[in-house]
Amino acid sequence: QSVLTQPPSVSGTPGQRVTISCSGSSSNIGINTVTWFQQLPGTAPKLLLHSNDQRPSGVPDRFSGSKSGPSASLAISGLQSEDEADYYCAAWVDSLKAVVFGGGTKLTVL
Amino acid sequence: EVHLVESGGGLVQPGGSLRVSCAAAGFTFSDYWLTWVRQAPGKGLEWVAAIKGDGSDKYYVDSVKGRFTISRDNAKNSLFLQMTSLRAEDTAVYYCVKHLLGATSHWGQGTLVTVSS
Repeated sequence: QSVLTQPPSVSGTPGQRVTISCSGSSSNIGINTVTWFQQLPGTAPKLLLHSNDQRPSGVPDRFSGSKSGPSASLAISGLQSEDEADYYCAAWVDSLKAVVFGGGTKLTVL
Repeated sequence: EVHLVESGGGLVQPGGSLRVSCAAAGFTFSDYWLTWVRQAPGKGLEWVAAIKGDGSDKYYVDSVKGRFTISRDNAKNSLFLQMTSLRAEDTAVYYCVKHLLGATSHWGQGTLVTVSS
């Protein structure tokens, strides 16, 4: 059972907008920033968003993030088939002196 | 370009030991925190351990404390994870990651560790 809670799966059709939630608490997301990773099938994860909503160079602006209190969200607009992947949120937990990941969300593009 | 190449994975018996390594290139190695993250087959990501750039601070997930040791050799741009008293539940792909939660996060391709008799 992960400290950060994500839905196991979401789906959408090409062109649609989908969101993936990441629910934490006042001891993790509530006081620290959220990072999102994308893991395409059979590959290593890669950074998607950092500092809640910042895109590294090379990440399309179709990907956006937000945070409110102890929860965060990843939104993907203009869904494309190549977006089909697993998505993970992560945050630092001061009391544990550790990073915690969400359980991951599998995005299926129908 | 950042390159992180893990090695040292393999099959080990329960209770055994193994050391995995990560060779880095393309950045000033000693400037960055480095992390080991693992992923059991078909499962999600789990943060394992992290070490500061100069090696002065180290953090571990509770499940590996006392069994795993993270270390680095800044002269050789290398990161290590010494694993002892291995259990079946340690079976996973182990990823070496530069600056995990930061803007310059970069992952290696991983090395598979299998704990089985």
